[in-house]
Amino acid sequence: AQRVTQPEKLLSVFKGAPVELKCNYSYSGSPELFWYVQYSRQRLQLLLRHISRESIKGFTADLNKGETSFHLKKPFAQEEDSAMYYCALSGSGSGNTGKLIFGQGTTLQVKP
Amino acid sequence: KAGVTQTPRYLIKTRGQQVTLSCSPISGHRSVSWYQQTPGQGLQFLFEYFSETQRNKGNFPGRFSGRQFSNSRSEMNVSTLELGDSALYLCASSFGAKGGELFFGEGSRLTVL
Repeated sequence: AQRVTQPEKLLSVFKGAPVELKCNYSYSGSPELFWYVQYSRQRLQLLLRHISRESIKGFTADLNKGETSFHLKKPFAQEEDSAMYYCALSGSGSGNTGKLIFGQGTTLQVKP
Repeated sequence: KAGVTQTPRYLIKTRGQQVTLSCSPISGHRSVSWYQQTPGQGLQFLFEYFSETQRNKGNFPGRFSGRQFSNSRSEMNVSTLELGDSALYLCASSFGAKGGELFFGEGSRLTVL
């Protein structure tokens, strides 16, 4: 079954501390993985995707197919990073483009 | 450019009624997807339309249906409403390409009494 698991509902860190939001997935194939973020009173928006292999707002995520993980990391958290983070999976077929399987989300709270 | 627009933003219905939600995608986007968000189940995929054709469907009963018009605008309909249908319904649009970014609307919050 296709599934995305985010084990932490809430992650609370102090400003300047490293952050790692965990994401594990289950998919029989080669999925595409994404991180979406929702800041307070804003829309859900894309943060980054594994195929781009880029760093956005200091965040990076590496797809580990062996461990079926796609953890989101940032070396030094900022208060403006406080938000709800969703890990999401899309099937590898071209027909799965608009279909995302979301994790339950992790609220990141960065304390001053 | 204008973002994804969903109407109405809030609505209250009673059990047994039906509801129609509307979504206007970003200009040029041909794919529209719908998601249901609840505290218990999180974000769940309902269906996706691309060029007026349903391309994907989630595991929801037949009471949930949708369509897409030639201008890419989309509607979803829920018939015979149940209390459990109370949720935030999110619409997302994209160009429809593999691995593409989804742009989400603010959602329509449905309360069923």
